[in-house]
Amino acid sequence: AQSVTQLGSHVSVSEGALVLLRCNYSSSVPPYLFWYVQYPNQGLQLLLKYTTGATLVKGINGFEAEFKKSETSFHLTKPSAHMSDAAEYFCAVSDEGAQKLVFGQGTRLTINP
Amino acid sequence: EPEVTQTPSHQVTQMGQEVILRCVPISNHLYFYWYRQILGQKVEFLVSFYNNEISEKSEIFDDQFSVERPDGSNFTLKIRSTKLEDSAMYFCASRRRTGGNPEAFFGQGTRLTVV
Repeated sequence: AQSVTQLGSHVSVSEGALVLLRCNYSSSVPPYLFWYVQYPNQGLQLLLKYTTGATLVKGINGFEAEFKKSETSFHLTKPSAHMSDAAEYFCAVSDEGAQKLVFGQGTRLTINP
Repeated sequence: EPEVTQTPSHQVTQMGQEVILRCVPISNHLYFYWYRQILGQKVEFLVSFYNNEISEKSEIFDDQFSVERPDGSNFTLKIRSTKLEDSAMYFCASRRRTGGNPEAFFGQGTRLTVV
């Protein structure tokens, strides 16, 4: 069975500071990995995904994530936080044959002015 | 840009009543899903649907729940006799296929409140 652990249910950074949201996964087969963002009272929007190939993937809004197989990690980063980045972020795992996504608990990102 | 649409955005129902949550997936997608998110908790998989039948369901998806694609465009989730613990945000999702481009596109959600 696949699982996802997001370290830190709440992360707070200052505007302009580095954003780092941590995600570790468990999967017995090569994983597909995703980061979704949820703004207040809205649905889930895909930020970026990893399937195969380049392990550093770039997404929307300046976010990127690196797949590290040896660490079973897929941490999300952004060099400089913006107030509009305040939201809930979910890491999710799937695989080539899977029908479903398995989500982590989510990390609420707060940006301080 | 095509999107998944869900109606209603918010539904309040009395315990024991039946509710139907509606979704219109993206038109050329083949796989359809329902997920739910209880307030403050993670998003949980309920059911996947492909080729007019359920392909996988979670332990949450018991006999109270059913899904249907009645007319080739809508995808519905029915809860026969709602319980207080069914209160949650319900998300519909669709994707074109597995493999290749596997990302699921989510609707805005229906917030179900059971009173």
